[in-house]
Amino acid sequence: EMQLVESGGGLVQPGGSLRLSCAASGFTFSNYDMNWVRQAPGKGLEWVSHISSSGSPTYYADSVKGRFTVSRDNAKNSLYLQMNSLRAEDTAVYYCARKKGFGDRDAFDIWGQGTKVTVSS
Amino acid sequence: DIQMTQSPSSLSASVGDRVTITCRASQSIRNYLNWYQQKPGKAPTLLIYAASNLESGVPSRFSGSGSGTALTLTISGLQPEDFATYYCQQTYSVLYTFGQGTKLEIK
Repeated sequence: EMQLVESGGGLVQPGGSLRLSCAASGFTFSNYDMNWVRQAPGKGLEWVSHISSSGSPTYYADSVKGRFTVSRDNAKNSLYLQMNSLRAEDTAVYYCARKKGFGDRDAFDIWGQGTKVTVSS
Repeated sequence: DIQMTQSPSSLSASVGDRVTITCRASQSIRNYLNWYQQKPGKAPTLLIYAASNLESGVPSRFSGSGSGTALTLTISGLQPEDFATYYCQQTYSVLYTFGQGTKLEIK
């Protein structure tokens, strides 16, 4: 079964840091671009970051650029999101998602269950 | 960045109804549009990719159409399990953006 499992969420103070992980199984992780998507409480989906299958290039939403860093370890079938200088507005459930396809057929076909991040003092 | 606007934001319908949700892009995105369904407390699931292609395992009552700046998701013959929130997503730009969502509720 193809699966993504996030971990690393929790409560952190404003200005603090957190590192999220996403463990992939059931497919050849190194063949796929990956993404992070977040959802603030009661709100919609917000794309956060993209990383290519090889690890480069990477892309970020303006709201996190300069504060968040996406990386991956294909040998460990793992995706990461290093989050620094956290703000209250970063409070959300964070999902990792696999991107399938190419060109107009790009789509997020496998999602993890999410990990909750709360930024509060 | 490409802005995506869904309408309506919420919708009440009955089992068996046909409903349409529209997604408008701030610029042409050709057919680079996906639709997702999300139920409370769950991750989103992919319904349609490239505007009109049904993801494997998705019932045929779901369909997508359109190109350019206005694209639609239609559900024909609503089933109880279809009451959920639906999101569009553009992939024309790698700064992938989602619409704000349309909550489909039972009338």
